[in-house]
Amino acid sequence: GEDVEQSLFLSVREGDSSVINCTYTDSSSTYLYWYKQEPGAGLQLLTYIFSNMDMKQDQRLTVLLNKKDKHLSLRIADTQTGDSAIYFCAEFEDTGKLIFGQGTTLQVKP
Amino acid sequence: SQTIHQWPATLVQPVGSPLSLECTVEGTSNPNLYWYRQAAGRGLQLLFYSVGIGQISSEVPQNLSASRPQDRQFILSSKKLLLSDSGFYLCAWSVKVLGPQYFGPGTRLLVL
Repeated sequence: GEDVEQSLFLSVREGDSSVINCTYTDSSSTYLYWYKQEPGAGLQLLTYIFSNMDMKQDQRLTVLLNKKDKHLSLRIADTQTGDSAIYFCAEFEDTGKLIFGQGTTLQVKP
Repeated sequence: SQTIHQWPATLVQPVGSPLSLECTVEGTSNPNLYWYRQAAGRGLQLLFYSVGIGQISSEVPQNLSASRPQDRQFILSSKKLLLSDSGFYLCAWSVKVLGPQYFGPGTRLLVL
């Protein structure tokens, strides 16, 4: 089956930029997603990128897509303590099932 | 705007007891509906999905079942809970099958 991999943990200082990385295996994916999960809560859709795009920017969020290497990244500029959460990347496999990575815990130190 | 509700928020049940978790969506018609389980705050496992009333697809064999009695209502059930059923259960909806999914607040289930 398809696989989505992420590093498990990232720690940054408040005000720095955070970069969360993800690799995927299904080259036929049309959209790739980033979700945010705060403690005890459901997943919040942060942003998504269409597979024919290389970059998408939305306020403090920048998504970069390298289709050749099947690599997706989420950059958060000026990281705040409120950005502390688990971040999941996700892609659709060819059966139409949304496959999630294991999530990256972002810790923001004041 | 669309909203998705789940209840209860938290549930503690003894092994062998029945289960019923409910999910409802407001502000949209004929949504695709999904049940996921998340163990230990990590990866999500798709349990069931539904593209219409009475249409349920199961992703993994287990002692859980799902039903969709109304267009915007999705229910997760079990006749006899196992310890391994403990986890965080998330309901989600989407407009299109290959479109973004929007999640509810989740139900935390602890089976003792």
